Amino acid sequence: QSALTQPASVSESPGQSITISCTGTSSDVGIYNYVSWYQQHPDKAPKLLIYDVSNRPSGVSNRFSGSKSGNTASLTISGLQAEDEADYYCSSYSSNSAVLFGGGTKLTVL
Amino acid sequence: EVQLLESGGGLVQPGGSLRLSCAASGFTFSSYAMSWVRQAPGKGLEWVSGFSDSGGGSTIYANSVKGRFTISRDNSKNTVYLQMNSLRAADTAAYYCARHRNYYYYYAMDVWGQGTTVTVSS
Repeated sequence: QSALTQPASVSESPGQSITISCTGTSSDVGIYNYVSWYQQHPDKAPKLLIYDVSNRPSGVSNRFSGSKSGNTASLTISGLQAEDEADYYCSSYSSNSAVLFGGGTKLTVL
Repeated sequence: EVQLLESGGGLVQPGGSLRLSCAASGFTFSSYAMSWVRQAPGKGLEWVSGFSDSGGGSTIYANSVKGRFTISRDNSKNTVYLQMNSLRAADTAAYYCARHRNYYYYYAMDVWGQGTTVTVSS
């Protein structure tokens, strides 16, 4: 049950766009469309941003979008705002029936 | 309002046991899979265990807790539990209860509790 691979940190200026990658294998991200993304602010519970690769729950800003190509999923945040500064985690179902998380990416809005 | 409320965390000695509870409200509890996810201090999220409501119910565990932790649920009390035995220092973390979007744990987790803290130390 290895974790999915994310960059440890990314940074960008307000108003710009940024993409966070999440690399798995042909046993998880590559074969399942059960990829999700979560946002976590300090000392808060995670919040679901994207489910099933590219779907947004009700109430989540359309500035957040998801996609997948092969074994890599991506989260794109457009029109960066100060409030987007947080940790972001990807997750995927795995063929061994486990739920995997990425190591997390700390987003800094400069 | 859809809500999950964890309880049962605390300080326990290595080798000890603890039972976490997660009380759900605001939705039809029996229709959803539930999971426990933990986060060690300063670290990332780690999925721990899940209970699917599909086919009479099935459970699954991360390798790191298999054989030591047991997940269960009482649909009459809208509560999911995590029995943790043989606790180790590496189990120290905030433990979150989470609801999956549907009956199986391959669905994303759309509702999260605020977490309960477990500290394993002598």
